[in-house]
Amino acid sequence: RKEVEQDPGPFNVPEGATVAFNCTYSNSASQSFFWYRQDCRKEPKLLMSVYSSGNEDGRFTAQLNRASQYISLLIRDSKLSDSATYLCVVGSARQLTFGSGTQLTVLP
Amino acid sequence: DAGVTQSPTHLIKTRGQQVTLRCSPKSGHDTVSWYQQALGQGPQFIFQYYEEEERQRGNFPDRFSGHQFPNYSSELNVNALLLGDSALYLCASNYLQGPLYEQYFGPGTRLTVT
Repeated sequence: RKEVEQDPGPFNVPEGATVAFNCTYSNSASQSFFWYRQDCRKEPKLLMSVYSSGNEDGRFTAQLNRASQYISLLIRDSKLSDSATYLCVVGSARQLTFGSGTQLTVLP
Repeated sequence: DAGVTQSPTHLIKTRGQQVTLRCSPKSGHDTVSWYQQALGQGPQFIFQYYEEEERQRGNFPDRFSGHQFPNYSSELNVNALLLGDSALYLCASNYLQGPLYEQYFGPGTRLTVT
């Protein structure tokens, strides 16, 4: 079993749609949680951290359920510029473990 | 302020050869981590260097080795290259005592093994 598992994707959605990504992790000792965005042939960049209380950054909302070891990312009102691969990332012992990523394409 | 830099950008090697990749961390960062990202996969942790020593290591064979210099820059060496070593190699830096989310990635070195 992979340490971090994500929806396989790809997701193709029209502009303005709401899209949700899900992720589960296996290490219950994990301490920190993130969503990264990676554009084609570029390096990953931090999109947002994820907290147990849930957090929002503009059109993006992230949720963490420690009991279920489940992380989610919701993107509202999708833009063409949101097209990228979204990586679920779990941190422990000062090390990041990445999921395989879910590719999102927002269509005009 | 320069971010994380890596060299070379692209590299083509033959099976059995050896390769050295280089990374300069973001100013103020003292820790360097290396990741391998195969096509269609997420980055996989190779190892982390702090104070010129390997602090943590992922599930990679001994063919993968590294070094950190007094100026915090780092090298990743891969011996006896296999076709399966073809990947994007990412370097990330952070301040050891800082939060994990302040780990910044370089643009990567794309290695092709033929």
